[in-house]
Amino acid sequence: KAGVTQTPRYLIKTRGQQVTLSCSPISGHRSVSWYQQTPGQGLQFLFEYFSETQRNKGNFPGRFSGRQFSNSRSEMNVSTLELGDSALYLCASRTEPRPNYGYTFGSGTRLTVV
Amino acid sequence: EDQVTQSPEALRLQEGESSSLNCSYTVSGLRGLFWYRQDPGKGPEFLFTLYSAGEEKEKERLKATLTKKESFLHITAPKPEDSATYLCAVQGAMNRDDKIIFGKGTRLHILP
Repeated sequence: KAGVTQTPRYLIKTRGQQVTLSCSPISGHRSVSWYQQTPGQGLQFLFEYFSETQRNKGNFPGRFSGRQFSNSRSEMNVSTLELGDSALYLCASRTEPRPNYGYTFGSGTRLTVV
Repeated sequence: EDQVTQSPEALRLQEGESSSLNCSYTVSGLRGLFWYRQDPGKGPEFLFTLYSAGEEKEKERLKATLTKKESFLHITAPKPEDSATYLCAVQGAMNRDDKIIFGKGTRLHILP
């Protein structure tokens, strides 16, 4: 079956712009989480959505937001981009937000802010 | 606050040289500890979930173990294709804020 699909794979944006990243989970997976990965900080949790509701949120400023649609697809948005937002953004899906369901990750969107 | 610390940051081994990676965690009410493998330019790939102290799981040359404070990923007779970054993560707390927290990973390089 198809894996987690993230689009686009690569993105270059200018400081101050906004960006929207997309994630299509594995069919049947209703939980979608987003992570930011940087060499210095590793994987940092952004937020998790389940059945179109945000279940929890990491310690990121309000410029980072997300949503989930009725077909479980998810988008995250970053407004007023800063240089420090350059990172690999990973989406992960699982059937439900419970420990016995491991994440399946997408390949990520590499965002570069110049 | 939940924390995950992995050591060493990087490890170079000769092919066939067995070793262990460490994951120390602090979490209120562990619900699950996870190991993932990440290759360059790709997303992490799920390996194991461990739920309680004393539990062990194996997959090919990898074996994960869990105590109340740490987990080990043992690699037996590794091959060059085992080279990757290995990530440990925990999910804790019996409330809505049960996000999964990752460590920074151990970069493993197996020399042929």
